[in-house]
Formats: sequence, structure tokens, C-alpha cells
Amino acid sequence: AQTVTQSQPEMSVQEAETVTLSCTYDTSENNYYLFWYKQPPSRQMILVIRQEAYKQQNATENRFSVNFQKAAKSFSLKISDSQLGDTAMYFCAFMKHQAGTALIFGKGTTLSVSS
Amino acid sequence: GAVVSQHPSWVICKSGTSVKIECRSLDFQATTMFWYRQFPKQSLMLMATSNEGSKATYEQGVEKDKFLINHASLTLSTLTVTSAHPEDSSFYICSARDLGETYEQYFGPGTRLTVT
Repeated sequence: AQTVTQSQPEMSVQEAETVTLSCTYDTSENNYYLFWYKQPPSRQMILVIRQEAYKQQNATENRFSVNFQKAAKSFSLKISDSQLGDTAMYFCAFMKHQAGTALIFGKGTTLSVSS
Repeated sequence: GAVVSQHPSWVICKSGTSVKIECRSLDFQATTMFWYRQFPKQSLMLMATSNEGSKATYEQGVEKDKFLINHASLTLSTLTVTSAHPEDSSFYICSARDLGETYEQYFGPGTRLTVT
């Protein structure tokens, strides 16, 4: 069975600074996807970034980037130039590369950005 | 972008009654929909996977007779909480997978259920 671990329940950062959220996972699969989702106070789940396991290049979306270490089964999220609107709960998620499979979520990290 | 709606957004019901939550994909066809449950400040826990035209697959520990899931069409899945009790109070979220997508899942805005 797959597991996703987020070891930082809470993080805080000042506006404009950089913060890194950690995520490790365990799987015996070779093909899979990894995601970071953001859940703001509205509780709407928002996809932040996605990484395909077969791609060695780390995914980047504007201020968000990941450090994907497949051998170490690590998938951290770096948020650059943090903004107040980044305040939210962030979930790391795993999904097998197979039709119809669900996301498996970590416990989440609550990020607070202050001015 | 693909949109998933949920109705109602918030429902209060009395203990012992049943409540139905709808999940609709508005602009795409979803062969698979997922139902999650989330307690305050906790993660999303998968309850069941719903495939159009077939019985839902429930996760271990989820009572299928209590949480009835019906995926009658490619755009609609419903979750019925039967004989609700206060411990069923939670935030329920659905997600849908586009027929043509391999990985993308689109989330509904969630339904807050309060059982009194």
C-alpha cells in the first residue's frame, strides 16, 4: 500500500520569503504521479503542481517548484516570494499511473504567511 | 477549466434522518468519481470510488449500507448518508476524473454536514 508523509504540521513564513514544505512517500510502483494541493479557508481544493515520476526534471509553476528525488521518495514544495494569499493547508498526494485510481493524501501542512 | 459542483453546500439534519449530497461534473464526462471525508484540520480520507453504471468500491472501514453511493450518469454521483448520527458530521468532498484525462481530478467545493 502507498503512504504519504508530511512531517511538518505547521509552518510560518514572512511575505516575500521562501519556504519549503516536505513530503515523503512509500510505494513499490514505478509509474505514478505526485501532486501538491492547496486548501485555503474556503476549503476548495486547488491543484498547485504536478510531477510525473518518469520525468527527471522538476516541475515548476510560477513561484512554486518541487524537488523530486525518486530514489529517496521525496517530493518537497518550494514557494518563492511568499504572498498572503498563500496562507492555506497544503497536501501532498500520490496517485498510481492507472485509470480510475484515487489520490492518497498526506496529513497536510498548515502554512501561515504574515506581513 | 473543468468544474465540479456539489449540492447542498451546507446541510443540517436531525439524528436518524437521511441526507443526500449531489456531485455533478458540469462541463465534462466523468467515468469515475471519488468521495472523501474531511474532519477539521485533518486530511482527506477516501471513502469510496464510484464508477458510472456499476457499484461503488468502498474503502476499508466505510459502511456501505450507511453511505450509499450512486453514479447513475456520466455527470452525476450521489452520496446518501442514511440514519445520520452526530458522529457523521463532517465535510464531504467529491472529485471527478475526466473521461479523456489520465491524471487530472477536479474537486467539488465540498458539503458541510451537521447532524443534530
